Amino acid sequence: RKEVEQDPGPFNVPEGATVAFNCTYSNSASQSFFWYRQDCRKEPKLLMSVYSSGNEDGRFTAQLNRASQYISLLIRDSKLSDSATYLCVVTDIMEYGNKLVFGAGTILRVKS
Amino acid sequence: DAGVTQSPTHLIKTRGQQVTLRCSPKSGHDTVSWYQQALGQGPQFIFQYYEEEERQRGNFPDRFSGHQYPNYSSELNVNALLLGDSALYLCASSTGQPNQPQHFGDGTRLSIL
Repeated sequence: RKEVEQDPGPFNVPEGATVAFNCTYSNSASQSFFWYRQDCRKEPKLLMSVYSSGNEDGRFTAQLNRASQYISLLIRDSKLSDSATYLCVVTDIMEYGNKLVFGAGTILRVKS
Repeated sequence: DAGVTQSPTHLIKTRGQQVTLRCSPKSGHDTVSWYQQALGQGPQFIFQYYEEEERQRGNFPDRFSGHQYPNYSSELNVNALLLGDSALYLCASSTGQPNQPQHFGDGTRLSIL
């Protein structure tokens, strides 16, 4: 079983739609949680951190449920420019240091 | 303020050769992590450097080695290249605190023929 699992999609949605991505993680000791966005053949870029209290950044809302080990991302009023791969990421604390553990990504395609 | 910079951007090698990839972290960051991203997959952790030492390592063979310099810049070396080493190699820098996100460079796309 992969440590971070995401629905690979693709999610094909019209402009203006609301779309939700889900992610589960297996390591209950994971400490920090993020959504990164990756455009084709580019590097991952931080979209937002995810907190248990939920957090919102404009059209984007992220939520963490530690009990269920579940992370979500909601995108409202989708734009063409939102088309990308969305990576669910957790931070695992190691004996020394920490590492990011990535899901395989969910592909979003927003169409006009 | 420069972000994370990596060089080269693209590289073509043949099986059995050796390669060195370079990374300069974002200003104020002292921790450098390297990741390998195969096509259609999420990045996989290779190792992390802090204070010029390898602090932790992922599930990669000894053919993958690295170095960190006093100015926090880092190198990733891969020996005896295999076809399966073809991937995007990403460098990420951070302050090393687990609740702080890591920031990625543009990556080096390595192709093995």
